[in-house]
Amino acid sequence: GDSVTQTEGQVALSEEDFLTIHCNYSASGYPALFWYVQYPGEGPQFLFRASRDKEKGSSRGFEATYDKGTTSFHLRKASVQESDSAVYYCAFYDTNAYKVIFGKGTHLHVLP
Amino acid sequence: GALVYQYPRRTICKSGTSMRMECQAVGFQATSVAWYRQSPQKTFELIALSTVNSAIKYEQNFTQEKFPISHPNLSFSSMTVLNAYLEDRGLYLCGARKELNTGQLYFGEGSKLTVL
Repeated sequence: GDSVTQTEGQVALSEEDFLTIHCNYSASGYPALFWYVQYPGEGPQFLFRASRDKEKGSSRGFEATYDKGTTSFHLRKASVQESDSAVYYCAFYDTNAYKVIFGKGTHLHVLP
Repeated sequence: GALVYQYPRRTICKSGTSMRMECQAVGFQATSVAWYRQSPQKTFELIALSTVNSAIKYEQNFTQEKFPISHPNLSFSSMTVLNAYLEDRGLYLCGARKELNTGQLYFGEGSKLTVL
């Protein structure tokens, strides 16, 4: 069935390191793809989206490019900060069922 | 901006009792509300999708008998966890959207349920 797979577990980096969190999807057609971020004690927040091949989404220094060939939407940031520590979720929108399917989340720890 | 408030933020209840949680959209009309449960491991389970003036659609493993939902207007939804047991523990999140045909959800901070 339709699903999203992302880098599992925790990622620990130092400030100013480069970040990549992998995300691959399995779905038919052209699902819209999303990244959400959840800070401690808060609900998830929409980060950005992309809905067609080669489209790049970006926000707050984070970016990801929709790649239909590799069915990927990897999250990248050139230089992370301690304040980026949070759980990041890749998601896609199932247009047939009107529901948003989330990955399992990747916990980013940025050390000062 | 679009804001979603959830109440209560946390509840502790005894096994077999029930808990009602509310979701209020402020600054926009929530044509559709998705209720999720987030486990301590941070994974999401979709419970149901509620659209005003349409039937509420529950996911497999979740039923109306256990998780009745009300969505009477474009700014408010509520869900009750009936006869809560340990496996019902988690953070219940309400994700509201302005239009049905979009995956952009506005989430509240969640209602955390602890069952003793």
